[in-house]
Amino acid sequence: KQEVTQIPAALSVPEGENLVLNCSFTDSAIYNLQWFRQDPGKGLTSLLLIQSSQREQTSGRLNASLDKSSGRSTLYIAASQPGDSATYLCAVRPMNRDDKIIFGKGTRLHILP
Amino acid sequence: DGGITQSPKYLFRKEGQNVTLSCEQNLNHDAMYWYRQDPGQGLRLIYYSQIVNDFQKGDIAEGYSVSREKKESFPLTVTSAQKNPTAFYLCASRLSGGKTHDTQYFGPGTRLTVL
Repeated sequence: KQEVTQIPAALSVPEGENLVLNCSFTDSAIYNLQWFRQDPGKGLTSLLLIQSSQREQTSGRLNASLDKSSGRSTLYIAASQPGDSATYLCAVRPMNRDDKIIFGKGTRLHILP
Repeated sequence: DGGITQSPKYLFRKEGQNVTLSCEQNLNHDAMYWYRQDPGQGLRLIYYSQIVNDFQKGDIAEGYSVSREKKESFPLTVTSAQKNPTAFYLCASRLSGGKTHDTQYFGPGTRLTVL
């Protein structure tokens, strides 16, 4: 059974610092991995989607990497800003017939002004 | 504007009542999903539908029911059989349920509270 783990559960860093969020998954048989952002009381917004054949994706100050063989992904945020404060969720789409994605519990990020 | 709408934003239910949460999308997406989110938890799949007039149970379907009579709409009913329904409910859609490379788009959510 695929499980997705995100560590740490919460993180506070001063504004301007670079930071890394971690995601691990137990079964490497995945189609893709995705990072989402969720603001309090809101829906999810897709940040980056990495196909299983890819190693990384970049969007602005965000860079996500994927090491499928080791079951790990990282989300790198450069030059953090207070507006980056949110919960970041990692999700994988397993290689099975079911149309499902499996979510981690998220990392709650707080950028200190 | 294209997107997914959920209504109401907040919903209060008395014990023993059924309530229906609305989800509408104008993205022309084939697949639609319902998730439940509890504090500090990831999303758990309740039901999903890949095409009109067809839907499948997710991981926590007990106490919930859905219908998919129109491509644009995927309402979720929380029945009195759901013992702990207080949660944040998120609806999502995806272009095609059969493809693997596209993302899910999420609505703004409905917060359900049982009084």
